[in-house]
Order: sequence, then C-alpha cells, then structure tokens
Amino acid sequence: GDSVTQTEGLVTVTEGLPVKLNCTYQTTYLTIAFFWYVQYLNEAPQVLLKSSTDNKRTEHQGFHATLHKSSSSFHLQKSSAQLSDSALYYCALSVRNSNNRIFFGDGTQLVVKP
Amino acid sequence: EAAVTQSPRNKVAVTGGKVTLSCNQTNNHNNMYWYRQDTGHGLRLIHYSYGAGSTEKGDIPDGYKASRPSQENFSLILELATPSQTSVYFCASGVGNQDTQYFGPGTRLLVL
Repeated sequence: GDSVTQTEGLVTVTEGLPVKLNCTYQTTYLTIAFFWYVQYLNEAPQVLLKSSTDNKRTEHQGFHATLHKSSSSFHLQKSSAQLSDSALYYCALSVRNSNNRIFFGDGTQLVVKP
Repeated sequence: EAAVTQSPRNKVAVTGGKVTLSCNQTNNHNNMYWYRQDTGHGLRLIHYSYGAGSTEKGDIPDGYKASRPSQENFSLILELATPSQTSVYFCASGVGNQDTQYFGPGTRLLVL
C-alpha cells in the first residue's frame, strides 16, 4: 500500500547550521503529490511545501525540497536553521486514485538550539 | 484564506459518555477529514468525507462515527468514550486529494 516514512523522530541542530529531514515513500501510482506540513507548538498543522514535479526544487520560507521519484524521496532541507524553525514536521503523500486522502508520516520533531 | 473551526476547543468527558466534536469550514471544500494526534503516532486518519451525506472509514475508525450533514459541517461522534480516546483531534478540509489540506485549531479531549 501507500506509505510515508520519516526515519527520525527527533532532530536537534545548532542555530545557523544546516538541517535535513528525511522522507521516503512507497506507492504504486505514477501521479503523486508531496507535501511538507509544519506544526508549531499548540498550533494546527499548516502546509510548508508542495510538489508534484519530479526533480524540481520547491522553496518556501527558506526551506527547500526536491521530489526524486527515482529514489522515492522528498527530503526537507534548510541551509541555516533558526530558533523559530523548532516545530513538528510532517511529510505527506497523496496519489491520484479514488480515495481523497493524504498519507502522513509519523512526523519529525526539529529542535534548534542556540 | 481557508477557515476551519472546531468546537469545543477543550472537552472533559466521562468514560461511557457520548461526545460530539464539531467542525465547520467556510471554504466550500468537498473533502473533510478527522485526525487524532498522539505523541509517537503523528496524525492518524479516523474518518473522512467526499461531500454532504458521505463518510468513509480511515485508518483507525473503531469507536468513532462520523456525520456530514452539509458541505460545511463534519462531526465526529464517540458513542461510548473511553480513556484511550484521550487525544487531540484535528479536522481538516480540502478540495481534492492532491490539494492542500487546511486544518482547524484542534480539540483537546480528556476522557476520565
């Protein structure tokens, strides 16, 4: 079936250093869309990035991700982490089929330390 | 801007009691979703709907019912609440499965 894997439950990084959150997926469908959602403390999840184009870099708020269908990955990266980036990040997959739903990973908690 | 609201925002219920969580969206989105969020489990889909009158089971539907009486409203019903249903519940809406989902602020439910 369709699934999303986020291998790290917690990522800790020092302010100013680069950060990478891993996301891989499994699906049999060819037409897919990928999302990164961010959830700040005591807030609702909100979309950070969306992509459906293979090998195209998508950027928003200093974060970027590239969908690589060859390796089934959609990793989230930032060149310089900020304290305000501390949050819970979800990778999510949607496929073009009859079920109008999105598959979420388990989430990665990012902690940025001074 | 998408607008999804939930009520109540906080709820304390007793074991065996009935709990109804309500969700309203003003975006005219066809699809609506109910998730629960627990530490270590992320967002888990309980029920979802394609439109008024339709409900579908998600990944963890046991112990929950859903109702979609109109395009705008989607309710989650716990007929016999149990302490294991203590969680944060999020409602979301979206146009289609490849469109962004917009989440409500969440409801914190404590079942004693």
